[in-house]
Amino acid sequence: QKEVEQNSGPLSVPEGAIASLNCTYSDRGSQSFFWYRQYSGKSPELIMSIYSNGDKEDGRFTAQLNKASQYVSLLIRDSQPSDSATYLCAVADDKIIFGKGTRLHILP
Amino acid sequence: GAVVSQHPSRVICKSGTSVKIECRSLDFQATTMFWYRQFPKQSLMLMATSNEGSKATYEQGVEKDKFLINHASLTLSTLTVTSAHPEDSSFYICSAQTGARDTQYFGPGTRLTVL
Repeated sequence: QKEVEQNSGPLSVPEGAIASLNCTYSDRGSQSFFWYRQYSGKSPELIMSIYSNGDKEDGRFTAQLNKASQYVSLLIRDSQPSDSATYLCAVADDKIIFGKGTRLHILP
Repeated sequence: GAVVSQHPSRVICKSGTSVKIECRSLDFQATTMFWYRQFPKQSLMLMATSNEGSKATYEQGVEKDKFLINHASLTLSTLTVTSAHPEDSSFYICSAQTGARDTQYFGPGTRLTVL
Protein backbone atom coordinates (compact mmCIF):
# COMPACT_ATOMS: atom_id res chain seq x y z
CA GLN A 1 0.00 0.00 0.00
CA LYS A 2 1.35 3.38 -1.01
CA GLU A 3 2.00 5.62 1.97
CA VAL A 4 3.03 9.18 2.70
CA GLU A 5 4.40 9.76 6.18
CA GLN A 6 4.63 13.00 8.10
CA ASN A 7 5.34 13.77 11.72
CA SER A 8 2.03 14.99 13.15
CA GLY A 9 3.70 17.58 15.39
CA PRO A 10 3.05 20.08 16.70
CA LEU A 11 6.31 21.58 15.54
CA SER A 12 7.01 24.78 17.43
CA VAL A 13 9.37 27.30 15.83
CA PRO A 14 10.27 30.81 17.05
CA GLU A 15 9.21 33.69 14.88
CA GLY A 16 11.89 34.59 12.38
CA ALA A 17 13.51 31.14 12.43
CA ILE A 18 13.47 28.48 9.73
CA ALA A 19 10.73 25.88 9.93
CA SER A 20 11.60 22.52 8.41
CA LEU A 21 8.83 20.10 7.49
CA ASN A 22 9.61 16.59 6.33
CA CYS A 23 7.79 13.89 4.41
CA THR A 24 8.70 10.39 3.25
CA TYR A 25 6.89 8.26 0.74
CA SER A 26 6.84 4.60 -0.14
CA ASP A 27 6.16 4.53 -3.90
CA ARG A 28 9.42 4.84 -5.88
CA GLY A 29 7.40 5.48 -9.02
CA SER A 30 6.03 8.77 -7.69
CA GLN A 31 6.51 11.62 -10.11
CA SER A 32 4.83 14.67 -8.62
CA PHE A 33 5.13 16.15 -5.16
CA PHE A 34 3.09 18.87 -3.52
CA TRP A 35 2.91 20.86 -0.33
CA TYR A 36 -0.41 22.25 0.86
CA ARG A 37 -1.19 24.51 3.78
CA GLN A 38 -4.43 24.16 5.72
CA TYR A 39 -5.58 26.65 8.29
CA SER A 40 -7.99 25.44 10.96
CA GLY A 41 -11.51 25.28 9.58
CA LYS A 42 -10.39 25.97 6.01
CA SER A 43 -9.63 23.81 3.00
CA PRO A 44 -6.06 23.09 1.84
CA GLU A 45 -4.31 25.56 -0.43
CA LEU A 46 -1.38 24.75 -2.67
CA ILE A 47 1.98 26.18 -1.64
CA MET A 48 4.38 24.48 -4.01
CA SER A 49 4.81 21.63 -6.41
CA ILE A 50 8.11 19.95 -7.27
CA TYR A 51 8.85 17.32 -9.87
CA SER A 52 12.65 16.88 -10.07
CA ASN A 53 15.43 16.31 -7.58
CA GLY A 54 16.90 19.33 -5.88
CA ASP A 55 15.55 22.56 -4.48
CA LYS A 56 12.76 24.80 -5.68
CA GLU A 57 12.35 28.21 -4.14
CA ASP A 58 9.32 30.48 -4.08
CA GLY A 59 9.58 33.48 -1.81
CA ARG A 60 10.13 32.30 1.76
CA PHE A 61 9.36 28.71 0.82
CA THR A 62 11.82 26.12 -0.46
CA ALA A 63 10.79 22.61 -1.43
CA GLN A 64 13.49 19.94 -1.51
CA LEU A 65 13.15 16.59 -3.24
CA ASN A 66 15.41 13.55 -3.00
CA LYS A 67 13.92 10.68 -4.99
CA ALA A 68 16.72 8.27 -4.08
CA SER A 69 15.88 8.70 -0.40
CA GLN A 70 12.14 9.04 -1.11
CA TYR A 71 12.12 12.21 0.86
CA VAL A 72 10.58 15.64 0.30
CA SER A 73 10.79 18.62 2.60
CA LEU A 74 9.52 22.16 2.91
CA LEU A 75 11.57 24.95 4.44
CA ILE A 76 9.93 28.17 5.56
CA ARG A 77 12.37 31.01 6.12
CA ASP A 78 11.69 33.98 8.40
CA SER A 79 8.71 32.17 9.92
CA GLN A 80 5.73 34.34 10.74
CA PRO A 81 2.82 33.69 13.13
CA SER A 82 0.59 33.58 10.05
CA ASP A 83 2.50 30.47 8.93
CA SER A 84 0.94 28.56 11.84
CA ALA A 85 -1.15 25.89 10.13
CA THR A 86 -1.17 22.22 9.19
CA TYR A 87 1.07 21.39 6.25
CA LEU A 88 0.08 18.48 4.03
CA CYS A 89 2.54 16.62 1.85
CA ALA A 90 1.07 14.97 -1.24
CA VAL A 91 2.73 12.53 -3.63
CA ALA A 92 1.39 11.42 -7.00
CA ASP A 93 1.99 8.73 -9.55
CA ASP A 94 -1.29 7.53 -11.02
CA LYS A 95 -3.14 9.06 -8.08
CA ILE A 96 -2.37 11.55 -5.35
CA ILE A 97 -1.79 10.31 -1.83
CA PHE A 98 -1.88 12.81 1.03
CA GLY A 99 0.00 12.59 4.28
CA LYS A 100 -1.87 13.27 7.50
CA GLY A 101 -0.14 16.61 7.92
CA THR A 102 2.23 18.33 10.33
CA ARG A 103 0.91 21.00 12.65
CA LEU A 104 3.26 23.99 12.71
CA HIS A 105 3.10 26.58 15.45
CA ILE A 106 5.16 29.75 15.11
CA LEU A 107 5.90 31.25 18.48
CA PRO A 108 5.66 35.09 18.57
CA GLY B 1 -6.30 30.65 -12.30
CA ALA B 2 -7.29 27.21 -10.99
CA VAL B 3 -10.25 28.28 -8.90
CA VAL B 4 -12.67 25.74 -7.47
CA SER B 5 -15.92 26.81 -5.88
CA GLN B 6 -18.31 24.96 -3.61
CA HIS B 7 -21.89 25.70 -2.76
CA PRO B 8 -23.24 26.01 -0.17
CA SER B 9 -20.44 26.94 2.20
CA ARG B 10 -22.51 26.00 5.21
CA VAL B 11 -25.70 24.02 5.61
CA ILE B 12 -27.80 22.96 8.56
CA CYS B 13 -30.45 20.33 8.01
CA LYS B 14 -32.72 18.03 9.94
CA SER B 15 -31.98 14.37 10.35
CA GLY B 16 -33.45 12.31 7.52
CA THR B 17 -33.24 14.98 4.84
CA SER B 18 -30.92 15.02 1.84
CA VAL B 19 -28.34 17.66 1.11
CA LYS B 20 -26.69 18.43 -2.23
CA ILE B 21 -23.26 20.05 -2.44
CA GLU B 22 -21.96 21.47 -5.71
CA CYS B 23 -18.33 21.66 -6.76
CA ARG B 24 -17.32 23.71 -9.78
CA SER B 25 -14.00 24.35 -11.50
CA LEU B 26 -14.36 27.96 -12.61
CA ASP B 27 -11.48 28.51 -14.99
CA PHE B 28 -10.35 25.06 -16.09
CA GLN B 29 -11.79 21.75 -17.15
CA ALA B 30 -11.40 19.07 -14.53
CA THR B 31 -11.05 15.52 -15.82
CA THR B 32 -11.23 14.26 -12.28
CA MET B 33 -12.85 15.56 -9.15
CA PHE B 34 -12.45 14.27 -5.64
CA TRP B 35 -14.62 14.43 -2.54
CA TYR B 36 -13.09 14.49 0.92
CA ARG B 37 -14.48 14.58 4.41
CA GLN B 38 -12.68 15.99 7.40
CA PHE B 39 -13.76 15.73 11.02
CA PRO B 40 -12.46 18.28 13.57
CA LYS B 41 -8.74 17.99 14.22
CA GLN B 42 -8.45 14.99 11.93
CA SER B 43 -6.83 14.53 8.55
CA LEU B 44 -8.48 14.61 5.14
CA MET B 45 -10.30 11.43 4.26
CA LEU B 46 -10.87 10.68 0.59
CA MET B 47 -14.43 9.55 0.03
CA ALA B 48 -14.60 9.09 -3.73
CA THR B 49 -13.07 9.93 -7.07
CA SER B 50 -15.22 10.91 -10.01
CA ASN B 51 -14.49 11.27 -13.69
CA GLU B 52 -16.77 13.15 -16.02
CA GLY B 53 -19.43 10.92 -17.51
CA SER B 54 -18.60 7.81 -15.52
CA LYS B 55 -19.51 6.32 -12.17
CA ALA B 56 -17.60 7.45 -9.13
CA THR B 57 -15.06 5.21 -7.45
CA TYR B 58 -15.70 5.04 -3.73
CA GLU B 59 -13.09 4.39 -1.05
CA GLN B 60 -13.49 1.42 1.21
CA GLY B 61 -16.07 2.00 3.91
CA VAL B 62 -17.89 4.82 2.10
CA GLU B 63 -21.50 3.94 1.28
CA LYS B 64 -22.18 4.75 -2.35
CA ASP B 65 -25.94 4.70 -1.84
CA LYS B 66 -25.67 7.25 0.92
CA PHE B 67 -23.18 9.58 -0.74
CA LEU B 68 -24.37 10.01 -4.31
CA ILE B 69 -21.88 11.59 -6.68
CA ASN B 70 -22.71 12.94 -10.11
CA HIS B 71 -20.03 14.34 -12.41
CA ALA B 72 -22.19 15.73 -15.16
CA SER B 73 -19.62 17.89 -16.92
CA LEU B 74 -15.95 18.78 -16.92
CA THR B 75 -16.66 21.67 -14.58
CA LEU B 76 -19.33 20.34 -12.21
CA SER B 77 -19.57 17.53 -9.70
CA THR B 78 -22.23 17.14 -7.04
CA LEU B 79 -22.30 15.20 -3.79
CA THR B 80 -25.68 14.35 -2.30
CA VAL B 81 -25.80 13.15 1.28
CA THR B 82 -29.00 11.14 1.46
CA SER B 83 -31.00 10.62 4.63
CA ALA B 84 -28.46 12.59 6.61
CA HIS B 85 -27.82 11.75 10.25
CA PRO B 86 -25.95 13.69 12.95
CA GLU B 87 -22.88 11.49 12.45
CA ASP B 88 -22.68 12.82 8.87
CA SER B 89 -21.95 16.27 10.25
CA SER B 90 -18.52 17.15 8.92
CA PHE B 91 -16.49 19.41 6.65
CA TYR B 92 -16.86 18.24 3.05
CA ILE B 93 -14.21 19.40 0.60
CA CYS B 94 -13.97 18.84 -3.12
CA SER B 95 -10.93 19.12 -5.32
CA ALA B 96 -10.33 19.08 -9.04
CA GLN B 97 -7.42 18.24 -11.30
CA THR B 98 -6.77 18.23 -15.02
CA GLY B 99 -4.61 15.10 -15.19
CA ALA B 100 -3.57 12.14 -13.07
CA ARG B 101 -0.32 13.68 -11.90
CA ASP B 102 -1.47 17.25 -11.88
CA THR B 103 -2.08 19.47 -8.93
CA GLN B 104 -5.33 19.09 -7.05
CA TYR B 105 -7.04 22.41 -6.43
CA PHE B 106 -9.39 22.46 -3.49
CA GLY B 107 -12.72 24.14 -3.08
CA PRO B 108 -13.36 26.16 0.08
CA GLY B 109 -15.37 23.37 1.67
CA THR B 110 -18.92 22.90 2.92
CA ARG B 111 -19.66 22.58 6.59
CA LEU B 112 -22.62 20.28 7.12
CA THR B 113 -24.46 20.16 10.41
CA VAL B 114 -27.23 17.60 10.80
CA LEU B 115 -29.54 18.23 13.74
